[in-house]
Amino acid sequence: DAKTTQPPSMDCAEGRAANLPCNHSTISGNEYVYWYRQIHSQGPQYIIHGLKNNETNEMASLIITEDRKSSTLILPHATLRDTAVYYCIVSDTPYTGTASKLTFGTGTRLQVTL
Amino acid sequence: DTAVSQTPKYLVTQMGNDKSIKCEQNLGHDTMYWYKQDSKKFLKIMFSYNNKELIINETVPNRFSPKSPDKAHLNLHINSLELGDSAVYFCASSDFYTNEQFFGPGTRLTVL
Repeated sequence: DAKTTQPPSMDCAEGRAANLPCNHSTISGNEYVYWYRQIHSQGPQYIIHGLKNNETNEMASLIITEDRKSSTLILPHATLRDTAVYYCIVSDTPYTGTASKLTFGTGTRLQVTL
Repeated sequence: DTAVSQTPKYLVTQMGNDKSIKCEQNLGHDTMYWYKQDSKKFLKIMFSYNNKELIINETVPNRFSPKSPDKAHLNLHINSLELGDSAVYFCASSDFYTNEQFFGPGTRLTVL
């Protein structure tokens, strides 16, 4: 029941920007877009999330299209340590007091190379 | 200081045994989760507790029983282990009103 579609794999040269796309054409008005990553043999790591505005933090930027049907995670200067599986997840709003959950898909395996 | 810790890191056991995995978080969060990641790397939520109360219970065999003695701890007990239970189990925590979850390092369970 994945709500998102991501390319299975991408390559990026170290020092370049990594742009990871995600389609979520059935997203509803109260659903957020979350990005997590999982470096080999580690637990998933939260990166960023957004509703409709673009967001930036110390790790990445999130660009959400105006119709909210797709988004792009941008790692501005990829390093070898960014090699991981990146998951794009849409989730119910957690702000209404009801329990919400993350449903992980298959993600995009990003390989950063020298 | 580890934010979310799990013990043990590795667990190898025979079919039919009962085992427990422990999780502790020192982030002051009120919500904790158990996830299972199988050999194909699919990561699925199993349970979620908020302030020691079960709030999410996915379709999980009743051989799996979570227990939350306090909001900083969520343990997972598994009875009558089966081969298909072999997986990596991740604990996570968050504030209730957010999906910014912090994950532990995982427990790799191998059932022989």
